Amino acid sequence: QKEVEQDPGPLSVPEGAIVSLNCTYSNSAFQYFMWYRQYSRKGPELLMYTYSSGNKEDGRFTAQVDKSSKYISLFIRDSQPSDSATYLCAMSPYSSASKIIFGSGTRLSIRP
Amino acid sequence: KAGVTQTPRYLIKTRGQQVTLSCSPISGHRSVSWYQQTPGQGLQFLFEYFSETQRNKGNFPGRFSGRQFSNSRSEMNVSTLELGDSALYLCASSPQGDNEQFFGPGTRLTVL
Repeated sequence: QKEVEQDPGPLSVPEGAIVSLNCTYSNSAFQYFMWYRQYSRKGPELLMYTYSSGNKEDGRFTAQVDKSSKYISLFIRDSQPSDSATYLCAMSPYSSASKIIFGSGTRLSIRP
Repeated sequence: KAGVTQTPRYLIKTRGQQVTLSCSPISGHRSVSWYQQTPGQGLQFLFEYFSETQRNKGNFPGRFSGRQFSNSRSEMNVSTLELGDSALYLCASSPQGDNEQFFGPGTRLTVL
């Protein structure tokens, strides 16, 4: 079993819908949680960065962490075709680049 | 501020050859990490360099090596290429090697 599980999709939703992307994990030591967006033929771009449990909002994006359930989510409100990309969750027990474990990514498509 | 740059963007090699990839981090960032991204294994950590020293290493064979120069630019080298080395190689930089990584566009390596 992988330390971080993420549904690969693809997930297709109409423009304007609320998108929910999720990851589960098994290592209770994870404390830092990240979401990256990766467009085709590009490198990942950091979208959200949270520490421990709780919610964090940035514009149309909201990240939620539930450490008791070992479950994290990314919500995208008012989704746009430009949001079509692969979304990777990532997590780490420390603030250290070498310890980051990435999910396999969910491919998201927003239909105009 | 200019982002992370990687050269070349695409590379085709044959089995047994060696390859050198280059990465220029964001100005002021002292940590450079390298990752391999494949459809089957996702994003996997190769190694991290900080102030010209390899600080951390992932679970890859010794054919994968790297170095960092005094201006923080980094190179990674893969010797005796195998078909399974075909992947997107990503470089990421951060000020001190923490979780907030900024990725370059990657080098797409194809081994024939």
